[in-house]
Amino acid sequence: GAVVSQHPSWVICKSGTSVKIECRSLDFQATTMFWYRQFPKQSLMLMATSNEGSKATYEQGVEKDKFLINHASLTLSTLTVTSAHPEDSSFYICSASTGTSFSNEQFFGPGTRLTVL
Amino acid sequence: RKEVEQDPGPFNVPEGATVAFNCTYSNSASQSFFWYRQDCRKEPKLLMSVYSSGNEDGRFTAQLNRASQYISLLIRDSKLSDSATYLCVVDPTGTASKLTFGTGTRLQVTL
Repeated sequence: GAVVSQHPSWVICKSGTSVKIECRSLDFQATTMFWYRQFPKQSLMLMATSNEGSKATYEQGVEKDKFLINHASLTLSTLTVTSAHPEDSSFYICSASTGTSFSNEQFFGPGTRLTVL
Repeated sequence: RKEVEQDPGPFNVPEGATVAFNCTYSNSASQSFFWYRQDCRKEPKLLMSVYSSGNEDGRFTAQLNRASQYISLLIRDSKLSDSATYLCVVDPTGTASKLTFGTGTRLQVTL
């Protein structure tokens, strides 16, 4: 149980294009989903937290207009990198949580490797 | 000062060796602590939680020293399959709503 998928697993795009990454909880309902970014040899950095049906909460320094997050259902959240540039190339990982007091563990997706040319 | 600091390594050890990793955290109010394992180009996976009294899971032992804001992970009888990056993770809230990751310590177990 507690499986999270991401699609695509990798993507290469040209500078200036937009890329959408999907995060799905396959066997549980995720009231909260998290989006992280990891640059080579660096730690995972939380970008934003989204709750189903609400606007995402972005961490300091993360541009909400550039990284659009939608959490329209209890099993799906999307991250759209708008007008991507080479410096946006990174490993993007989502995680999902049921957000209950019983179990608030975050379950991670396999990640999406984005390369912007 | 980084919120969570780890020695990046790499630690190169032979099979069967015992190896220990340390981690320090800056937020004294942090509530929960974890060790995650991350293989190359993969997502992090929870290895174990860290409790104040110390806890063990097979060959892995985790310890927490709140006074020194220090967490450790001990791996006994290292296996080749233990080769990975070990991430120290701190949860300031205790609700898993905001995990802070260290940069990780790379372990390479050799024959």
